[in-house]
Amino acid sequence: GAGVSQSPRYKVAKRGQDVALRCDPISGHVSLFWYQQALGQGPEFLTYFQNEAQLDKSGLPSDRFFAERPEGSVSTLKIQRTQQEDSAVYLCASSSSTSGTTGELFFGEGSRLTVL
Amino acid sequence: KNQVEQSPQSLIILEGKNCTLQCNYTVSPFSNLRWYKQDTGRGPVSLTIMTFSENTKSNGRYTATLDADTKQSSLHITASQLSDSASYICVVSAYSNFGNEKLTFGTGTRLTIIP
Repeated sequence: GAGVSQSPRYKVAKRGQDVALRCDPISGHVSLFWYQQALGQGPEFLTYFQNEAQLDKSGLPSDRFFAERPEGSVSTLKIQRTQQEDSAVYLCASSSSTSGTTGELFFGEGSRLTVL
Repeated sequence: KNQVEQSPQSLIILEGKNCTLQCNYTVSPFSNLRWYKQDTGRGPVSLTIMTFSENTKSNGRYTATLDADTKQSSLHITASQLSDSASYICVVSAYSNFGNEKLTFGTGTRLTIIP
């Protein structure tokens, strides 16, 4: 596609519900990143994929957070048993870099999650 | 801990005026420094990327500088336009133990241009 596409754009969940956020990166981009952006803050790294391999998940805040990219293109970030502190914008970014370096990152518009 | 600090937090200027945004960082091992523009409700968009050896880089009316010795960067916007109203985020990249680059984002400077 022309850009990074994320869905849903907005999600309201009751505390304890599971949510799944989808990212469709730019076609052919090898590297895919997930970030969490709290209100008024800069994005914070969650996890990184190179093709289908999840090479770095050191930023995932708890074992309730899980990300996958089974075929090396679309990625899903799943949050189980959501808590109020999970409320944030979840940004996905992709890059054509194949060497493990970030290269130029292209961001999606984000998925805003609100947990009540 | 890697940190990126930006100043001012917010800035209001008249259309047509120039402004300079500041970024200080404590990130190592340093790979590169980026400036992003983020409109409200949108994802960040890259303005410039500078490596250790680059002192300055321009992108239209945006000019970024980097002093790797003092670990400071600035973003200068010339002849501001209403469409420049956005958050400007300084991002510093460091190599991680996993072989990939890890980006540390500042909290941004919220710039408002008034007619």
